[in-house]
Amino acid sequence: DQQVKQNSPSLSVQEGRISILNCDYTNSMFDYFLWYKKYPAEGPTFLISISSIKDKNEDGRFTVFLNKSAKHLSLHIVPSQPGDSAVYFCAASVGEGTYKYIFGTGTRLKVLA
Amino acid sequence: SAVISQKPSRDICQRGTSLTIQCQVDSQVTMMFWYRQQPGQSLTLIATANQGSEATYESGFVIDKFPISRPNLTFSTLTVSNMSPEDSSIYLCSVPLAGGRGQETQYFGPGTRLLVL
Repeated sequence: DQQVKQNSPSLSVQEGRISILNCDYTNSMFDYFLWYKKYPAEGPTFLISISSIKDKNEDGRFTVFLNKSAKHLSLHIVPSQPGDSAVYFCAASVGEGTYKYIFGTGTRLKVLA
Repeated sequence: SAVISQKPSRDICQRGTSLTIQCQVDSQVTMMFWYRQQPGQSLTLIATANQGSEATYESGFVIDKFPISRPNLTFSTLTVSNMSPEDSSIYLCSVPLAGGRGQETQYFGPGTRLLVL
């Protein structure tokens, strides 16, 4: 049973436009969520996180939105740049400090110049 | 940030053999984590390795198949034993880290790409 789902395996966006990556989860106990970016032959790198007490968190070009009632989170990248082309993973955990992250299967983003 | 190295970066192995993957961190950490990413799949936590105690394995993973050592606070090994083609995956180690603005996260090594024939 996949508790964290990224239903879009790939996404293409024009440079300068907004990229929106989506993630759904089924476990209502999840209360901490993260986004990672992964380039080929590298480990995932942390982008941004959000606690369930918030519905939005911004860091530069990256914003994560959390809709707890819909069990849905999204990552917005504005403006998108060619260097953002990578696989993006969302992850969730029950409680901060447990480090028991459940990952989605990833969405491959391609930013077209 | 932390600097994490893994050895080997990739390997091709024959079924029935074992491979030991090393993970080295440039700072002392209490917890280290081992993940597996099978082709087209998500990252799955195998176990948590704490220095001075037995590793804690997640459901579906057992010590006989994935023995882990944690001899000190900067180093860990994961052995994939009696390999089969289903063990072909990327294996990653990670450590807990505070991201920007104090956000809790894990910092990942570059991974070991394993192909079992």
